[in-house]
Amino acid sequence: QVQLQESGPGLVKPSQTLSLTCTVSGGSISSGGYYWNWIRQLPGKGLEWIGYIYYSGSTYYNPSLKSRVTISVDTSKSQFSLKLSSVTAADTAVYYCAREDTVMGLGAFDIWGQGTMVTVSS
Amino acid sequence: QSALTQPRSVSGSPGQSVTISCTGTSSDVGDYKYVSWYQQYPGKAPKLMLYDVSKRPSGVPDRFSGSKSDNTASLTISGLQAEDEADYYCCSYAGSYVFGTGTKVTVL
Repeated sequence: QVQLQESGPGLVKPSQTLSLTCTVSGGSISSGGYYWNWIRQLPGKGLEWIGYIYYSGSTYYNPSLKSRVTISVDTSKSQFSLKLSSVTAADTAVYYCAREDTVMGLGAFDIWGQGTMVTVSS
Repeated sequence: QSALTQPRSVSGSPGQSVTISCTGTSSDVGDYKYVSWYQQYPGKAPKLMLYDVSKRPSGVPDRFSGSKSDNTASLTISGLQAEDEADYYCCSYAGSYVFGTGTKVTVL
């Protein structure tokens, strides 16, 4: 059973870079047919897709965040990571990593991490 | 891209049916078959309930069904149960992905 687990600082100062890692266990991050995504949920609000990475390293980002987002993968550690630069209070959210099963269909986020709360504050 | 529009809340008694709408545009819901639905309990991660408009992942009860017409997708829960009380979000492919505003389902 594939499981995802987010990790990283829960508090980031304004203007700094938010860095999170998602560790994949119980399966291979290098399996074809899966995109590895980051999705966030602002407090009391809806979900926002941030971007994804394929095990080969190819990425695609939300156009509204593209200038500040970098997603990378380390297949040897079975991890993928998110960096969001120049953060403000508006980036305070629960950040989820999620697997997208493209064999099912685009947008089929079938496995999620438990989520990690990141607060942007000085 | 703007968030897809969902009703803030819907409610029903046990055994009844409720339908949640998800309205987008011709650039997202109207243009692709890639609409998915997620159930979320408070403090928990979302769970995939439907994908490709109406397909159910293994383990999701057949009480959950989906459809799409023009720019609006819908999730119907038939035979409503107490455990169905949760927030529900739609999601559409649109070149990237856009989620709905979310609907709270209350079982009376």
